[in-house]
Amino acid sequence: AQSVSQHNHHVILSEAASLELGCNYSYGGTVNLFWYVQYPGQHLQLLLKYFSGDPLVKGIKGFEAEFIKSKFSFNLRKPSVQWSDTAEYFCAVTVNFGNEKLTFGTGTRLTIIP
Amino acid sequence: DAMVIQNPRYQVTQFGKPVTLSCSQTLNHNVMYWYQQKSSQAPKLLFHYYDKDFNNEADTPDNFQSRRPNTSFCFLDIRSPGLGDAAMYLCATSGDSLWEQYFGPGTRLTVT
Repeated sequence: AQSVSQHNHHVILSEAASLELGCNYSYGGTVNLFWYVQYPGQHLQLLLKYFSGDPLVKGIKGFEAEFIKSKFSFNLRKPSVQWSDTAEYFCAVTVNFGNEKLTFGTGTRLTIIP
Repeated sequence: DAMVIQNPRYQVTQFGKPVTLSCSQTLNHNVMYWYQQKSSQAPKLLFHYYDKDFNNEADTPDNFQSRRPNTSFCFLDIRSPGLGDAAMYLCATSGDSLWEQYFGPGTRLTVT
């Protein structure tokens, strides 16, 4: 079965700092990768997704992620964070066409200090 | 706006007293999911419906049941809640792009 690891449990940054959140998955076959964000008191929202093609994907709110197949990684980046980026970030993966199961990582809590 | 709605947002129940959580969607998606999310943990899939086909995760306790009377509605029934069932319960849907899921705001369940 597939699994997802997010090694950073809590990240604290100042506004305008650059962000990189790590995500590694374990599965030897084709994967679909996602980053979801959960702002305080709100529901999970899709930030970006990778299905195939260009391994560098751009999402909403200036976020991007790079799929590196050899490293089984899908790290999330943002060049300059804002206070409004304070949230919980979840990496997730699905495997195989037609498999609807989304496996989440444990999440990274991001706190931005004004 | 098309969306996923969960009621109630907060539910308090007593130990052993059956409780039902509801989810409705206006997206007309054919797949609906129920997740359990405990504090500081990842959402954990309990089961999902592909249209009327029910798919239970192997490690979902028998205490948890689900009903989907039509495309728009899905219910989570907890027959005898224990203290360990206190959590946020998330409903999600997906349509043509099976892997992209749309989440509701969740119902926070407290068991006293």
